[in-house]
Amino acid sequence: TQLLEQSPQFLSIQEGENLTVYCNSSSVFSSLQWYRQEPGEGPVLLVTVVTGGEVKKLKRLTFQFGDARKDSSLHITAAQPGDTGLYLCAGNSGSARQLTFGSGTQLTVLP
Amino acid sequence: EPEVTQTPSHQVTQMGQEVILRCVPISNHLYFYWYRQILGQKVEFLVSFYNNEISEKSEIFDDQFSVERPDGSNFTLKIRSTKLEDSAMYFCASRTGTAGNTIYFGEGSWLTVV
Repeated sequence: TQLLEQSPQFLSIQEGENLTVYCNSSSVFSSLQWYRQEPGEGPVLLVTVVTGGEVKKLKRLTFQFGDARKDSSLHITAAQPGDTGLYLCAGNSGSARQLTFGSGTQLTVLP
Repeated sequence: EPEVTQTPSHQVTQMGQEVILRCVPISNHLYFYWYRQILGQKVEFLVSFYNNEISEKSEIFDDQFSVERPDGSNFTLKIRSTKLEDSAMYFCASRTGTAGNTIYFGEGSWLTVV
């Protein structure tokens, strides 16, 4: 069974601070996706990373896929209260490329 | 922007009753999925569906569950005899059949079994 471990599980920071969320596995994934989920709603895709070592930027968010495609990180610069939410990483595997989800990082950005 | 739509958004059912959750995947997508999320827990894979048949399923997807694509647009999940532990948010998802890996999720159907 493939597992994705996310850390930290909870993170509370002040507006303007930087943060990094980590997603680690002992398994190789064909690609990895980051989602953000609000309470009672479905995961909303932020980015997909495919190539080992790939870095993608989405405004203040920077996503990196590890060289071995086993881990990933999400870095947020100058966090804002609107960034508050549950951030999920999920790796594609299997013939149907179904997703294995991490347990999530609950981020709270205080004004 | 195309999106995956699900109905109902919320259903309450008595234990032992049958439930059907409905999904309309994005129109040009070929792979369809059901996931579930028990309150406070991880999103878990249930089943994938491609070319009118199940392509992969998890241990959770036992004989009480079935999926169907009755026409060209709908994709359904049926739970034959619901149990209390089936209470969860059920997400439908889809992706294209090309090399794309991105899977898009619906808003979810919240099932409460009482």
